[in-house]
Amino acid sequence: QQQVKQSPQSLIVQKGGISIINCAYENTAFDYFPWYQQFPGKGPALLIAIRPDVSEKKEGRFTISFNKSAKQFSLHIMDSQPGDSATYFCAASGTYNTDKLIFGTGTRLQVFP
Amino acid sequence: GAGVSQSPSNKVTEKGKDVELRCDPISGHTALYWYRQSLGQGLEFLIYFQGNSAPDKSGLPSDRFSAERTGGSVSTLTIQRTQQEDSAVYLCASSYGGRAREQYFGPGTRLTVT
Repeated sequence: QQQVKQSPQSLIVQKGGISIINCAYENTAFDYFPWYQQFPGKGPALLIAIRPDVSEKKEGRFTISFNKSAKQFSLHIMDSQPGDSATYFCAASGTYNTDKLIFGTGTRLQVFP
Repeated sequence: GAGVSQSPSNKVTEKGKDVELRCDPISGHTALYWYRQSLGQGLEFLIYFQGNSAPDKSGLPSDRFSAERTGGSVSTLTIQRTQQEDSAVYLCASSYGGRAREQYFGPGTRLTVT
């Protein structure tokens, strides 16, 4: 029940295209859902996050869509750029559980020019 | 401002030796987390500090692992009698805590046990 399932494992997108990464969770006590971007040799960097009281959040080219009833959330990267090539992790946490992050398994995104 | 810093960036040690990994959180952040990133296990939680207390140690894989935090700031993760399966990247994250949920990660310490 603590798992967060992430798909796809890898994604290849052409420059200018839309990248979509999906995550699903089971624990309805989760109330915070961040996405992290990680480049090789670096720590994860917080990209965008959402709480379950909204269905969508947009920051620049990055959008989180959240479906509370389906217990799913996704990251959309519009106008994908080669500089977006990185590994993306979804995560979930709950205040009931010290806010520790439960991570998905990661998606390696490659954007080709 | 300065982000989370970790030292050393890389550590190679022989099996059976003890190692200490250090984390300097963002100034003013009361919450501090340690995570481990390995190929087989992904990113996994190890321990959580609120101030100098560790109310959640549930992720520590064995009693060879311990951590402390002093002055509500610097934290040290200690691994005793290292094993090859301890090889991983150890990541530290900090947050303001309370209603501020955002966790900011350091660059990690890559530990290799030979």
